Amino acid sequence: GAGVSQSPSNKVTEKGKDVELRCDPISGHTALYWYRQSLGQGLEFLIYFQGNSAPDKSGLPSDRFSAERTGGSVSTLTIQRTQQEDSAVYLCASSLVSGGIKETQYFGPGTRLLVL
Amino acid sequence: AQTVTQSQPEMSVQEAETVTLSCTYDTSESDYYLFWYKQPPSRQMILVIRQEAYKQQNATENRFSVNFQKAAKSFSLKISDSQLGDAAMYFCAYRSAFGSARQLTFGSGTQLTVLP
Repeated sequence: GAGVSQSPSNKVTEKGKDVELRCDPISGHTALYWYRQSLGQGLEFLIYFQGNSAPDKSGLPSDRFSAERTGGSVSTLTIQRTQQEDSAVYLCASSLVSGGIKETQYFGPGTRLLVL
Repeated sequence: AQTVTQSQPEMSVQEAETVTLSCTYDTSESDYYLFWYKQPPSRQMILVIRQEAYKQQNATENRFSVNFQKAAKSFSLKISDSQLGDAAMYFCAYRSAFGSARQLTFGSGTQLTVLP
C-alpha cells in the first residue's frame, strides 16, 4: 500500500483480557518494527522483524508480549492478560533492508490502547 | 548504549519566524544516522529530515535544515518561515550503522507551538 497501516486505531479493553494489534507495512519493505509510546516512558523499541524472523526481541517488556509476522508482510502484536501499565500508543514502522540511509523507517498512525 | 537528549520540552515561534530545536546524543560509534520526526496530534510520525554521520554537509529539506556537529554530538533542527502546520511534537532519533541493531533511539521530544 501507499503507507503503513495499523488497526484498530483505538482499542479499549479490560484488565486481564488479551488484545491483538495489526500492522500492514509498505509494500516491498522487508523490515518491520514495533514501538510503544507512553507518557512515562517516551518512545520505546519493542521488536524488529526481518522477513518473518525476529532477530531482535530485546525490547519486549515481559513474556505477556509476543509478535509474529507471516508472509513477510502483516505483523500482529499480541498482549496477553493486559495490565493498566500496558496503556499506550503502539506504533509500527517499516523500512527497506538495504544498508545505509535507505533503511529509513516510515511509521503508521498507531493504535491507542487503553486498559481499564 | 546510545542516548538522545532533547533539552527543550516546549518551544514556541511566531508564524513566518525561524526556530531551532536542540538535540544532543551520546555514542561511541563512528558511523550512524540521525533523524528528525514530526508527530502532529494525528499521531502519525512523519520523517522531516535525515543525516548520515559520515557526511559533513548539513542536510536540508525545503524550510527544514540541520546543524550537525559531529564532534560535539549535536544535531539541531532549524525551521525557517514557520507555518501553522509545523505545530507538532518533534523527535530526534539515532540509529546505529553497525551490526544487526536496526531500532531507533528517540529523544523525549519538543512540543512546538506556532503562534499566528
